[in-house]
Amino acid sequence: SQQGEEDPQALSIQEGENATMNCSYKTSINNLQWYRQNSGRGLVHLILIRSNEREKHSGRLRVTLDTSKKSSSLLITASRAADTASYFCATPAQKLVFGQGTRLTINP
Amino acid sequence: EAGVTQFPSHSVIEKGQTVTLRCDPISGHDNLYWYRRVMGKEIKFLLHFVKESKQDESGMPNNRFLAERTGGTYSTLKVQPAELEDSGVYFCASSQVQPARAGELFFGEGSRLTVL
Repeated sequence: SQQGEEDPQALSIQEGENATMNCSYKTSINNLQWYRQNSGRGLVHLILIRSNEREKHSGRLRVTLDTSKKSSSLLITASRAADTASYFCATPAQKLVFGQGTRLTINP
Repeated sequence: EAGVTQFPSHSVIEKGQTVTLRCDPISGHDNLYWYRRVMGKEIKFLLHFVKESKQDESGMPNNRFLAERTGGTYSTLKVQPAELEDSGVYFCASSQVQPARAGELFFGEGSRLTVL
């Protein structure tokens, strides 16, 4: 399967620090997507990186993709309390396949 | 423009009862997906509609689950009879372009189902 697996499962940092989450997947992809779920809410699309891209930025988010290692990372810089959420990577076939997510807690 | 809406937001039922969840996708989105997240675990795919047709229902757990999308607009997911392990959050998502073609999914807020 193309299941994304996030690492770590939980991460707790101080406000203002950077947070890095990793994702590994198993098969070939043409893109990889990151989503965020705030508690009790739906998932929100954060960023998509295509297989021919190595790095992509969006505001305080930086995503890298290493297709040779079948891995991706999501970096959130200068974290804020509002960044507290679960983060999922997802790999697509005709459907998106999600992993278990990383639960990020930003402490004030 | 309205996003994906789901109803109810929370349903509490007893084992053996029936529950029907509804999803209204974004207007014009042919692709509609149902996902489920149980007990903070991974988000699992249930099924995918393209318009009114079931494109992929490989994630449906068993025949107690029935999904429909009459007319290719809104969709319903019925659980009958509900079991304890069906508790979780059921997410609906829609997209104009499928993820394999670099389309993103737009999710609803989810319907939390609690089976007692």
